[in-house]
Amino acid sequence: EADIYQTPRYLVIGTGKKITLECSQTMGHDKMYWYQQDPGMELHLIHYSYGVNSTEKGDLSSESTVSRIRTEHFPLTLESARPSHTSQYLCASSESVGAVDTEAFFGQGTRLTVV
Amino acid sequence: AQTVTQSQPEMSVQEAETVTLSCTYDTSESDYYLFWYKQPPSRQMILVIRQEAYKQQNATENRFSVNFQKAAKSFSLKISDSQLGDAAMYFCAYPSYSGAGSYQLTFGKGTKLSVIP
Repeated sequence: EADIYQTPRYLVIGTGKKITLECSQTMGHDKMYWYQQDPGMELHLIHYSYGVNSTEKGDLSSESTVSRIRTEHFPLTLESARPSHTSQYLCASSESVGAVDTEAFFGQGTRLTVV
Repeated sequence: AQTVTQSQPEMSVQEAETVTLSCTYDTSESDYYLFWYKQPPSRQMILVIRQEAYKQQNATENRFSVNFQKAAKSFSLKISDSQLGDAAMYFCAYPSYSGAGSYQLTFGKGTKLSVIP
């Protein structure tokens, strides 16, 4: 069973609110990712990190920001939520063997609805 | 650009029958892993099977097996004796090179598999 946790699982929030989606893993993985996914659709990488103090933007432009102060923690923040941010957000972590990535483990996701 | 292509947006299979989901990818690397992930409706994404590119033998996990054709850059997933619980979105994934010695997982667009009782 994967040891990666996301909270909250579901969130309904009003426009303009600031929110932080939490993601924690206990596997000691250096690499962590945030994906945005509409129901039944493809995953879009919005942020990733290769270790502490390392963050990069993914392929899909996002108004969210991330931080990586501790290996196990990779929170995602939206300063001012909008209805267009309504989606599912998936956090993942992975390990590498040398330069080769082995499997990624996913959290259960946070389904965000902005009203 | 390194890409992963799943050409079948939707597939259906009769319960107890066999279905094959296709995936092709583009890479210039020689040593890498390939993955198939399963995402049931409203549930967690989980790894189904993993293939190491340097291994000639196709990976197998119970009813799931792959047909890995390295030269053709093809990585299909075969599900035998399909069960109702196999209904899900299936994603093919590959760790693509993103520069400066770093890799990131790249996913295909997914194939939605329905299992007909």
